[in-house]
Amino acid sequence: DTAVSQTPKYLVTQMGNDKSIKCEQNLGHDTMYWYKQDSKKFLKIMFSYNNKELIINETVPNRFSPKSPDKAHLNLHINSLELGDSAVYFCASSQRDTQYFGPGTRLTVL
Amino acid sequence: GIQVEQSPPDLILQEGANSTLRCNFSDSVNNLQWFHQNPWGQLINLFYIPSGTKQNGRLSATTVATERYSLLYISSSQTTDSGVYFCAVEKYNTDKLIFGTGTRLQVFP
Repeated sequence: DTAVSQTPKYLVTQMGNDKSIKCEQNLGHDTMYWYKQDSKKFLKIMFSYNNKELIINETVPNRFSPKSPDKAHLNLHINSLELGDSAVYFCASSQRDTQYFGPGTRLTVL
Repeated sequence: GIQVEQSPPDLILQEGANSTLRCNFSDSVNNLQWFHQNPWGQLINLFYIPSGTKQNGRLSATTVATERYSLLYISSSQTTDSGVYFCAVEKYNTDKLIFGTGTRLQVFP
């Protein structure tokens, strides 16, 4: 019954590696998002997709590439991971107003 | 861009106490939401409240859009209320939520 789910929950990897985080929502929403929460708990939007189309890209390095195979899924692929990419990444979805967040993926780059 | 400031940054309460959290924003908005991030990291939407007043159990929120602030009231606080409370706003026609820096609440028995 999970509304917005993400996998994996934890991700530990070495600098320079490539990794992906998957997100799925079963709410029937048209819009999905990726947010990054840093070590000081500051939350910032990275991307927004509406019905599989990119509508917001918040000056995120092009090592980050979102992909939306259908409107229920929004994945995040990160190339050449850097130490500064360590954070918690949240997926969210909405239908116009209220946003619903996934449980987060804690990424640690060593 | 729009600035979102929350106060206080930290709040320590004993169980049963009441509290008021404030969110100030620097521009007109068409969307304002309050979230609770529990100690396990889960973000829960509490209110969608671009204007007016809403209540949900021990929590209530009021947004005065013309004066660019919102308040979240927590009454008879419980230890399970602990966590970080975020206010987030969306400026007209931007389709993106801007989060405040949060208020960290600790409720002790």
